[in-house]
Amino acid sequence: AQRVTQPEKLLSVFKGAPVELKCNYSYSGSPELFWYVQYSRQRLQLLLRHISRESIKGFTADLNKGETSFHLKKPFAQEEDSAMYYCALRHHNAGNMLTFGGGTRLMVKP
Amino acid sequence: EAQVTQNPRYLITVTGKKLTVTCSQNMNHEYMSWYRQDPGLGLRQIYYSMNVEVTDKGDVPEGYKVSRKEKRNFPLILESPSPNQTSLYFCASKRSTGELFFGEGSRLTVL
Repeated sequence: AQRVTQPEKLLSVFKGAPVELKCNYSYSGSPELFWYVQYSRQRLQLLLRHISRESIKGFTADLNKGETSFHLKKPFAQEEDSAMYYCALRHHNAGNMLTFGGGTRLMVKP
Repeated sequence: EAQVTQNPRYLITVTGKKLTVTCSQNMNHEYMSWYRQDPGLGLRQIYYSMNVEVTDKGDVPEGYKVSRKEKRNFPLILESPSPNQTSLYFCASKRSTGELFFGEGSRLTVL
């Protein structure tokens, strides 16, 4: 069965420090992975997807099939990065469902 | 402006009193879905719909119903709400790129 695990519920770093939000997945097929972000009092929105291989707001994420991971990284955290982050796995079945991890709250302190 | 609109945004109700949370999207998306968000559990899919008159259960469908009579609307129905359905609910529709576009959420409290 597919599963997405985000081991850290809360991650607190100081401004300017590097940040890594961990995501591990289990899926028997070829995975398609996403990171979604939810800023305070805003709707969930897509941050990035692995097939795009892009950097959004300084964040990058590399799919590591050997380690079944899709960690989100940023070299220098900013206060405005404080938010809830969700890793998600897309199933390539009839429903094309997304399975979300439990989420990690990132707090960037001044 | 492209959007997914949910109503009500906040609701407090009592056990057993039927309620409906509406969801409407103006992007002509075929796929729509409902999620609930609970601390530590992330987002779990309740129901989804691939198109008009086509609905399927997600991971946690018990206690919920949905309908999809029109492409733009996908209401979530709680026939007899219970306290364990107290949660934050999100409706979403899917863009052609595959990403989900979410509504602002509906916070439901069942006493």
